[in-house]
Amino acid sequence: AQTVTQSQPEMSVQEAETVTLSCTYDTSESDYYLFWYKQPPSRQMILVIRQEAYKQQNATENRFSVNFQKAAKSFSLKISDSQLGDAAMYFCAYSNAYDKVIFGPGTSLSVIP
Amino acid sequence: DGGITQSPKYLFRKEGQNVTLSCEQNLNHDAMYWYRQDPGQGLRLIYYSQIVNDFQKGDIAEGYSVSREKKESFPLTVTSAQKNPTAFYLCASSPRPQGRETQYFGPGTRLLVL
Repeated sequence: AQTVTQSQPEMSVQEAETVTLSCTYDTSESDYYLFWYKQPPSRQMILVIRQEAYKQQNATENRFSVNFQKAAKSFSLKISDSQLGDAAMYFCAYSNAYDKVIFGPGTSLSVIP
Repeated sequence: DGGITQSPKYLFRKEGQNVTLSCEQNLNHDAMYWYRQDPGQGLRLIYYSQIVNDFQKGDIAEGYSVSREKKESFPLTVTSAQKNPTAFYLCASSPRPQGRETQYFGPGTRLLVL
């Protein structure tokens, strides 16, 4: 069965600095999708970034980028120029093309002014 | 504005009582989902629906029931058989019932037991 692991329950970063959140997953599939979702204190989750496994190029979305290492089954999220509004729970998630999404346990990110 | 609404924001359940959580979407999405979130854990899938009048059990369906009579609505009933219902419940939808699709989430309902 597929699993998603986030080994950092809590992280902190100084405002304007860069932080990287780790995620590893386990799968025997070759075609799958990876996601990072953000859950701010308001609790409403939103998509941060999405990566298709067949694409070698790492996805980017403004200050957010990923480091996708398919062989290592690693999918880390880098947040550049951290802002106070980035403080949230971040969930890494995995899905093959047609099945349910599997979420990791989350990493709580604090941003220090 | 398109989106997903959940009500109520807070819900209190007495012992032996069934309670229903509402989820409505106006995004014209085919698929809808219910997740349970507990502290220190990721989201766990309770039920999902790929199309109107159809739904499937997720990983933790025991003690819960759903219906999908309209495309826009996917209510979740927490029955008295659910012995530990205290949690945060999130409803989500996606354009199509495929894992590749981005899911759009509602603001959630916190259920507490009196």
